[in-house]
Amino acid sequence: QLVLTQSPSASASLGASVKLTCTLSSGHSSYAIAWHQQQPEKGPRYLMKLNSDGSHSKGDGIPDRFSGSSSGAERYLTISSLQSEDEADYYCQTWGTGPVVFGGGTKLTVL
Amino acid sequence: EVQLVESGGGLVQPGGSLRLSCAASGFTFSSYSMNWVRQAPGKGLEWVSYISSSSSTIYYADSVKGRFTISRDNAKNSLYLQMNSLRDEDTAVYYCAAGMVGSGPDYWGQGTLVTVSS
Repeated sequence: QLVLTQSPSASASLGASVKLTCTLSSGHSSYAIAWHQQQPEKGPRYLMKLNSDGSHSKGDGIPDRFSGSSSGAERYLTISSLQSEDEADYYCQTWGTGPVVFGGGTKLTVL
Repeated sequence: EVQLVESGGGLVQPGGSLRLSCAASGFTFSSYSMNWVRQAPGKGLEWVSYISSSSSTIYYADSVKGRFTISRDNAKNSLYLQMNSLRDEDTAVYYCAAGMVGSGPDYWGQGTLVTVSS
């Protein structure tokens, strides 16, 4: 069964970097994913598609501070030079026969 | 500029029906698969339904199968969700989302609130 696992919460200081993790279930380590951001009281926003080889394609207007990488079944979202507006929920999402699956989301707090 | 604008949400009694619409602009709607995604109060995102670009393939989450029907009109650049036999647990903000499968960017609407309550 295709499942995405995310830590419920993360925190980092203003101006620092943070790396969020999304783990694909066993047997699905080659799957691409997408990262979406949801700021408080707003709708989600597409950040990027991330392939198993670490290549990624970002949405229009997404700052260079946002980048993606991969290792095995892990998919990462790194945010550098954290700003207050980066405080948000971050969801990973993938697709298979079904077809769409979301992770539970990670709530990022900027200290 | 890409826009997805949902409408049709509101307050409905348990067992009632509602039809959501999503008007798309700024991209080639007929080339994109489309989805409905919902978010219950204080909860995460839950995928609800998928329809391929030509309407040839449709999927539903188990939680809505047999009660909800997704459709689209490529001539009108519009996506729909007919929701019947609504339950309290269907209360959520419903988002229209383009893509979500394959390469290429995804797009999100701003959402429409559906409240099921007596």
